[in-house]
Amino acid sequence: RKEVEQDPGPFNVPEGATVAFNCTYSNSASQSFFWYRQDCRKEPKLLMSVYSSGNEDGRFTAQLNRASQYISLLIRDSKLSDSATYLCVVNIDDYKLSFGAGTTVTVRA
Amino acid sequence: DGGITQSPKYLFRKEGQNVTLSCEQNLNHDAMYWYRQDPGQGLRLIYYSQIVNDFQKGDIAEGYSVSREKKESFPLTVTSAQKNPTAFYLCASSIFLTADTQYFGPGTRLTVL
Repeated sequence: RKEVEQDPGPFNVPEGATVAFNCTYSNSASQSFFWYRQDCRKEPKLLMSVYSSGNEDGRFTAQLNRASQYISLLIRDSKLSDSATYLCVVNIDDYKLSFGAGTTVTVRA
Repeated sequence: DGGITQSPKYLFRKEGQNVTLSCEQNLNHDAMYWYRQDPGQGLRLIYYSQIVNDFQKGDIAEGYSVSREKKESFPLTVTSAQKNPTAFYLCASSIFLTADTQYFGPGTRLTVL
């Protein structure tokens, strides 16, 4: 089983729509969770950390479900500029992170 | 402006050649990392370093070498022993060697001719 698994998508949504997707992780001891955004042929950039209580940053909401070992990202009121690949990142030990292959979101006008 | 720089942006290598990818950071971060990204796959860890003159192998270190002579610099050499080196190489840093936020450079795209 992969350490981090994501639905590759693509999720094609119209502007203004809400899109949500999940990421599952295999290590029940994981404590650090992140969502990164990666534009085509660019480096990943931190979108948000994911906390146990869930957190929100503007139109983006992240949730953690420890019992089922998944994290989720929800994007409200999608903008064209939200088109990107979203990487799920989870720690596998005290020092190292594991990166999912990414979920591609395409927002159309 | 604080950040991580990588050079070159694009690199072409002939088979049998060694090439060195540069990574410099001015964030005063202790830890630095090298990842490789292939299409449709997650980032894979090549090497990481916690402090100067210390580095550890990651999951796919074969065919690669690194050095950490200065805190700011962590160059990666792709040797001729790496059988499939064509990939996008990303350097990252974090404040300490913990499973915490990593910040990435813009990457080097290496192509073997």
